[in-house]
Amino acid sequence: DAKTTQPNSMESNEEEPVHLPCNHSTISGTDYIHWYRQLPSQGPEYVIHGLTSNVNNRMASLAIAEDRKSSTLILHRATLRDAAVYYCILRELRDSNYQLIWGAGTKLIIKP
Amino acid sequence: DAGVIQSPRHEVTEMGQEVTLRCKPISGHNSLFWYRQTMMRGLELLIYFNNNVPIDDSGMPEDRFSAKMPNASFSTLKIQPSEPRDSAVYFCASSPDRVGGYTFGSGTRLTVV
Repeated sequence: DAKTTQPNSMESNEEEPVHLPCNHSTISGTDYIHWYRQLPSQGPEYVIHGLTSNVNNRMASLAIAEDRKSSTLILHRATLRDAAVYYCILRELRDSNYQLIWGAGTKLIIKP
Repeated sequence: DAGVIQSPRHEVTEMGQEVTLRCKPISGHNSLFWYRQTMMRGLELLIYFNNNVPIDDSGMPEDRFSAKMPNASFSTLKIQPSEPRDSAVYFCASSPDRVGGYTFGSGTRLTVV
């Protein structure tokens, strides 16, 4: 199974950009890169996903390395409400169906 | 859209009792997933359905666990008999297709005493 590696925790200041790194050196050509976040006492929340090209949405941007072995989730202006655990996940093709393989995530701490 | 709806939000039961968790996926989503989350093991996929058919139940811990999806708008996860080690937060999620994002419910916090 392809795996992802993320730092256990990161700190950032409020209203500054945040770059959350993820390594996935064993990614295969059909694996999608997904990011989710989980706020305290809530279910995981979808943030963004991509395959090869960089992606932008209202929540964040996803920068994917050219060799796809790493990616970075970018929060352009962090707020206190962005404090959460951020999961970088590969959606892998298994037996003709895609599944998410979860890791431990990065706990993002936002300092006011 | 009301999102993925799970019930109950909290369940406290005695060891040996049957527990049924319920999930209503987002209308039009054809994939449904049951996850369990604990501090020790993180998020674990228990089972997932595609078009109401169970595709992969390899994550179901043992025969005490069973899941059904009788139609596109309803699924249940049953534990019988329940044990204290089943205490966890159980999440249901749905996805509109095979590669897009999942939408999770708010979860059911199960405590077995």
